[in-house]
Amino acid sequence: NAGVTQTPKFQVLKTGQSMTLQCAQDMNHEYMSWYRQDPGMGLRLIHYSVGAGITDQGEVPNGYNVSRSTTEDFPLRLLSAAPSQTSVYFCASSFTGKKVGYTFGSGTRLTVV
Amino acid sequence: GNSVTQMEGPVTLSEEAFLTINCTYTATGYPSLFWYVQYPGEGLQLLLKATKADDKGSNKGFEATYRKETTSFHLEKGSVQVSDSAVYFCALDTGRRALTFGSGTRLQVQP
Repeated sequence: NAGVTQTPKFQVLKTGQSMTLQCAQDMNHEYMSWYRQDPGMGLRLIHYSVGAGITDQGEVPNGYNVSRSTTEDFPLRLLSAAPSQTSVYFCASSFTGKKVGYTFGSGTRLTVV
Repeated sequence: GNSVTQMEGPVTLSEEAFLTINCTYTATGYPSLFWYVQYPGEGLQLLLKATKADDKGSNKGFEATYRKETTSFHLEKGSVQVSDSAVYFCALDTGRRALTFGSGTRLQVQP
């Protein structure tokens, strides 16, 4: 009953470094998405995927890259980290999206110094 | 585009008080509506949902009714407990891409 697994839980990066936030789900969900959570701004959609090989941009895609080579995995890549990317990142997945809601991972807290 | 507006917090209540957190939305098509809860230091958990007009979602004493005529989905609970202290997010999904969230409302319940 793993659900949605995000790694790492915490990360500190220096400006300009790159890294990948991992997200994996074991529920055979088609829909997966990445959000960032900043104080007072709720959750904003970064990128999403409606199936393996299909990705699209959300509200705040700049500085991030994604791919979906398998149904289970949806990694988020920071190409060149900036202090503005300091945030908590959540991955979510859903089977049908509209009817049953999304399952969320426990989040990755990222600090860019 | 789609959007969700929630009342600003924090909302501070005494234990056993009545809770209302307002949520209104703008969306194309016929969205499903959700309330998610985030306890301190944790991820988001689905609290309740409604998939069509006049549906009432309920869970753990919380309720919300999908009102298409007023484009609202207000969260209510008759008697809050200290353990309900958390951040509550209203969200919608049109089934086309992903969730659209409100900014969240922090609830603090005092003993």
